[in-house]
Amino acid sequence: QVQLQESGPGLVKPSQTLSLTCTVSGGSISSGSYYWSWIRQPAGKGLEWIGRIYTSGSTNYNPSLKSRVTISVDTSKNQFSLKLSSVTAADTAVYYCARAPGYSSSHYMDVWGKGTTVTVSS
Amino acid sequence: SYVLTQPPSVSVAPGKTARITCGGNNIGSKSVHWYQQKPGQAPVLVIYYDSDRPSGIPERFSGSNSGNTATLTISRVEAGDEADYYCQVWDSSSDYVVFGGGTKLTVL
Repeated sequence: QVQLQESGPGLVKPSQTLSLTCTVSGGSISSGSYYWSWIRQPAGKGLEWIGRIYTSGSTNYNPSLKSRVTISVDTSKNQFSLKLSSVTAADTAVYYCARAPGYSSSHYMDVWGKGTTVTVSS
Repeated sequence: SYVLTQPPSVSVAPGKTARITCGGNNIGSKSVHWYQQKPGQAPVLVIYYDSDRPSGIPERFSGSNSGNTATLTISRVEAGDEADYYCQVWDSSSDYVVFGGGTKLTVL
């Protein structure tokens, strides 16, 4: 079955760009029709959706983060990535990647990575 | 932007029924999905399209959605059901995912 694994620096300095990668195993990221999402969760708080990319490369972003977010896909590596610019301490969180079936207009996420902790600090 | 409101906490005795609500303006016109998150773990989808269960999710988990409230119902609650539960919809007016604030289910 498909598995997702987040990776990237655990510590990012303020004002810099946070970069994370999600590696898809057990299936091809470009086969089938799926959305690939990023979600984050500050310690002790709820879930916040960051954005998604479709197999075709089209993207949607959370309006509150849109100006700082870029999500891209690298089919040759079976990965998709998140870049969040101009980070502050408020961006400290556990970051998850997840998959959503493309046929669903309501975007339920049926496969999740285990998450990776990113701390923004100098 | 669309807002989903959940009670911060719900408590229930083992063997009883827990109901977790998710309020939103005319939420009955949207598809609601529910996730279970245990401490230190990633969320797990437990209900999608209001009331469908993914394979592997016990029949004790069910959902409904009407008017301004969606409800996740857990029958014959077990200690292992203790977790945070989140509802989620797609906001088609702005094209993005909205999560509720989450409800901590405590099994007494």
